Amino acid sequence: DTVLTQSPALAVFPGERITISCRASESVSVGIYWYQQKRGQQPNLLIYGASSLVSGVPARFSGSGSGTDFNLTIDPVEADDTAIYYCHQSWNDPLTFGSGTKLEIK
Amino acid sequence: EVKLLESGGGLVQPGGSLRLSCAASGFPFTDFYMSWFRQPAGKAPEWLGFIRNKAHGYTTGYNPSVEGRFTISRHDTQDMLYLQMNTLRTEDTATYYCARGTFGRAGFAYWGQGTLVTVSS
Repeated sequence: DTVLTQSPALAVFPGERITISCRASESVSVGIYWYQQKRGQQPNLLIYGASSLVSGVPARFSGSGSGTDFNLTIDPVEADDTAIYYCHQSWNDPLTFGSGTKLEIK
Repeated sequence: EVKLLESGGGLVQPGGSLRLSCAASGFPFTDFYMSWFRQPAGKAPEWLGFIRNKAHGYTTGYNPSVEGRFTISRHDTQDMLYLQMNTLRTEDTATYYCARGTFGRAGFAYWGQGTLVTVSS
């Protein structure tokens, strides 16, 4: 299976710029998706195809990368961004998720 | 408005079976691939499998972690998706979600609210 490795946690102040990384154990081309999951809710798709913003998602969110290294950037961070962020790949079978990056807003 | 609503979760003993349902509305269900996921408490989601649309013969694909025990089916005239789970294990305990792919089986912009399955004696 394709393993996606994410940094475990971040704690930042509102207004800062943050980058969450996701490294794949093998190439996934641009088949990376980023999800935000708030406590008690289902995952919410933010980015598809590594860098395309889902309609309705604030432009503060952006994605980049290809192959094995990907980033999700939030600039500027707001208090409402408190959540766990997951990267997810659909290029290789089976589809897999990273273990998530917990973002805390101080 | 796209809506997905899972049902059928509950407490089941190890070795038992359970069938989950997902009622879809607000979109042409027959046109879309559909997937099932699960998420144990405090852990990342896990993709379980998917079923293609009518145009692609309703064929299925599964995560090897559940292949042979779990079966996905659909009933397009009723806009329903199903997950049949057999020989359940304690490690199958999780919240189970159905989701609609935007790009075939990828890009899950629409998820249900989830149904909790607890496997315990």
